Amino acid sequence: GQQLNQSPQSMFIQEGEDVSMNCTSSSIFNTWLWYKQDPGEGPVLLIALYKAGELTSNGRLTAQFGITRKDSFLNISASIPSDVGIYFCAGKRGGGATNKLIFGTGTLLAVQP
Amino acid sequence: NAGVTQTPKFQVLKTGQSMTLQCAQDMNHEYMSWYRQDPGMGLRLIHYSVGAGITDQGEVPNGYNVSRSTTEDFPLRLLSAAPSQTSVYFCASSLKTSGGWAQETQYFGPGTRLLVL
Repeated sequence: GQQLNQSPQSMFIQEGEDVSMNCTSSSIFNTWLWYKQDPGEGPVLLIALYKAGELTSNGRLTAQFGITRKDSFLNISASIPSDVGIYFCAGKRGGGATNKLIFGTGTLLAVQP
Repeated sequence: NAGVTQTPKFQVLKTGQSMTLQCAQDMNHEYMSWYRQDPGMGLRLIHYSVGAGITDQGEVPNGYNVSRSTTEDFPLRLLSAAPSQTSVYFCASSLKTSGGWAQETQYFGPGTRLLVL
């Protein structure tokens, strides 16, 4: 089955640094989502994007829906230790409120105080 | 409001054994899904349901059965466990609304960690 290509696979940064990660696909998606997963927990939705070119923020997090509809980007500014976790992108094709998501392989973020 | 609950948290099975992973939500969500998470693979959709009595296959349905007799519950059955089914299983639910955050927000359970020997 299809998986979205997510990069980088892992990042080890100092507290206060900015973080960027992206997700690419060979096919078009109509919705892009970004999730965070803490150790031993299920993913939690961070940001949802619905239109090509859309830029949406949630606190220190900013995500963009790529113009080509084949990619999305997540930026975290001024990272803090609680940002540690695995970040997943997910895409959805088609209209309607279905729940068939394709997930990326994840980016592991480690933040050193 | 407990959200999405999953039981058991951990399970060890022998090859060929059967078991049911339980999932329940108390948010009156129409949509429910089962995913498996393997290292380096992200989450892959096993089965999903758009309402009571309606289920459909996801990306990796082989070896798994589901049913949705009530809105609240969505059990996942392994009929004959295989080592390839060793994974972390997540159940998720979401509302059937239009537009905005709620449409796509899936609430995930804490997961069931399954080891098949």
